[in-house]
Amino acid sequence: NAGVTQTPKFQVLKTGQSMTLQCAQDMNHNSMYWYRQDPGMGLRLIYYSASEGTTDKGEVPNGYNVSRLNKREFSLRLESAAPSQTSVYFCASSEWPDRYYEQYFGPGTRLTVT
Amino acid sequence: AQSVTQLDSQVPVFEEAPVELRCNYSSSVSVYLFWYVQYPNQGLQLLLKYLSGSTLVESINGFEAEFNKSQTSFHLRKPSVHISDTAEYFCAAKAAGNKLTFGGGTRVLVKP
Repeated sequence: NAGVTQTPKFQVLKTGQSMTLQCAQDMNHNSMYWYRQDPGMGLRLIYYSASEGTTDKGEVPNGYNVSRLNKREFSLRLESAAPSQTSVYFCASSEWPDRYYEQYFGPGTRLTVT
Repeated sequence: AQSVTQLDSQVPVFEEAPVELRCNYSSSVSVYLFWYVQYPNQGLQLLLKYLSGSTLVESINGFEAEFNKSQTSFHLRKPSVHISDTAEYFCAAKAAGNKLTFGGGTRVLVKP
């Protein structure tokens, strides 16, 4: 049982390049989330998917798009990367609405945009 | 606005000393409260949670947190820390729907 997996672990992009961060979970969870973590700011929600086939904006969605490919996979796309998107990105999943809102996190993707 | 505030960004502490990490939440968030721990270069792991019932909740590795409704606080404590407790700790609260709101994090550095 791998839990939540993310690829890649590290990535360096030039301004204007695009990329997709991949996330998969094997816990049969309904909900999945993408966060970014910046020093002193905790985790901020970018997008989330309450269930397969639905996606919604979080706190900081600008510059990102998401796809809930199936129940297991939830990808995050940067269409035209900017230096302000340098961050650590975490994917998470939860059993909501079946359990008490606790979320399970992947190991993160460290992205640098130059 | 819904918010969770962690009052200390860094807490240095000597090994075997007690530590307290402070967390306050706004009354507009639900009182489902969580503490997560992030060890260096890893993702977040759930440390403990308060959903209802006893206001004192404990984790398996010696941490405890107390829900205080009147002070809108959920402080985390450990009576004696180990080097292995060096990590960043995040307080979180259930927000609308299926979301969590996180505090800014507290870095704990345990010194020998």
